[in-house]
Amino acid sequence: GAGVSQSPRYKVAKRGQDVALRCDPISGHVSLFWYQQALGQGPEFLTYFQNEAQLDKSGLPSDRFFAERPEGSVSTLKIQRTQQEDSAVYLCASRHYRDQETQYFGPGTRLLVL
Amino acid sequence: TQLLEQSPQFLSIQEGENLTVYCNSSSVFSSLQWYRQEPGEGPVLLVTVVTGGEVKKLKRLTFQFGDARKDSSLHITAAQPGDTGLYLCAGAKGDDKIIFGKGTRLHILP
Repeated sequence: GAGVSQSPRYKVAKRGQDVALRCDPISGHVSLFWYQQALGQGPEFLTYFQNEAQLDKSGLPSDRFFAERPEGSVSTLKIQRTQQEDSAVYLCASRHYRDQETQYFGPGTRLLVL
Repeated sequence: TQLLEQSPQFLSIQEGENLTVYCNSSSVFSSLQWYRQEPGEGPVLLVTVVTGGEVKKLKRLTFQFGDARKDSSLHITAAQPGDTGLYLCAGAKGDDKIIFGKGTRLHILP
């Protein structure tokens, strides 16, 4: 499809496990964003890439969270030693350089840490 | 930390009624956006307002940006069941980061 895709859509992890969440942005979109949306909350910014450069990672809650986009397209958000408070929906969004106003969101990955 | 306060948090009304939801902040934003999010999906952008006092209309939805660029409202005329969803406001401060409110969960009863 032409939209942002994320995988897996659902992930159940035991506390302490590492997880990797994938985002495939819209082809040609330079900017890529990751957000965390806890239950009953709005999305909260985690990190931002322009091409392969991570320009802002101020929203990452701890050093257990790591994001990369090595070739400037697909991105992976990795969470090490997951904790119960990491349970949330992780949203990815991409943006074209010609339309700085519009972020296109993927459907999210729902992470449940037991 | 949520800098944008949305009210009400929940709203359930009958089809055909009008409603207004609010987004307030003590901070000034360079622009403000409204999104709609349905279960299992990501937010979808409805509108961006940039100028203080700006009013934009999208069919039965009317969006207004406050004169001081600190607040916004969304008014829906003759609500329909298809309007059901989570409405999120989000503000930008000139960098690439946008800040979301917690949302208003709207349910339109047929």
